[in-house]
Amino acid sequence: GNSVTQMEGPVTLSEEAFLTINCTYTATGYPSLFWYVQYPGEGLQLLLKATKADDKGSNKGFEATYRKETTSFHLEKGSVQVSDSAVYFCALSALRGGGSYIPTFGRGTSLIVHP
Amino acid sequence: DTEVTQTPKHLVMGMTNKKSLKCEQHMGHRAMYWYKQKAKKPPELMFVYSYEKLSINESVPSRFSPECPNSSLLNLHLHALQPEDSALYLCASSQSGTGLTEAFFGQGTRLTVV
Repeated sequence: GNSVTQMEGPVTLSEEAFLTINCTYTATGYPSLFWYVQYPGEGLQLLLKATKADDKGSNKGFEATYRKETTSFHLEKGSVQVSDSAVYFCALSALRGGGSYIPTFGRGTSLIVHP
Repeated sequence: DTEVTQTPKHLVMGMTNKKSLKCEQHMGHRAMYWYKQKAKKPPELMFVYSYEKLSINESVPSRFSPECPNSSLLNLHLHALQPEDSALYLCASSQSGTGLTEAFFGQGTRLTVV
């Protein structure tokens, strides 16, 4: 079946540090890949996406590249801010049994950025 | 308009109550979803509607009853819930049943069962 594996958090960084959150996936067919962010008490917001191999998604200084050969979609940011503190979910959308394409989420990685 | 609107934002209900959660989107999306999220966990899929028809039920207990009255609305009817059903309930929609486009999420309904 389809699954997403994320690194376990929390990830604790100082402001302006470099961020990497690892994500790998297992899927049938050719999934689309996403990173969502969830701030405390809120729903999920799409951060970035990539729909095919070698695509790079980017938004608000965050980037992730769809690597088919390593089945990975690692999230990076060159210089984090306190306001980036949130939970980050890697997700894929791919064919599931029954013919439906369903978003499937990783466990989430909590990011804490200190001033 | 890229919003998915959920009401109410917070709900406290007793185990014998009947209540409903509502979700609305006006993006023309034909796939709509209900997810349940417990604290510090990822969202768990409950139901999927595609073109107003229920396409997936993830073996959800019958005390949760979904309804899709039209292409813009999604309801979740709640009856005889248990305290362990307390969670954040998220509604989402996507452009089509293919799921190859991103899902847009509402802010959720924080449900507490007492």
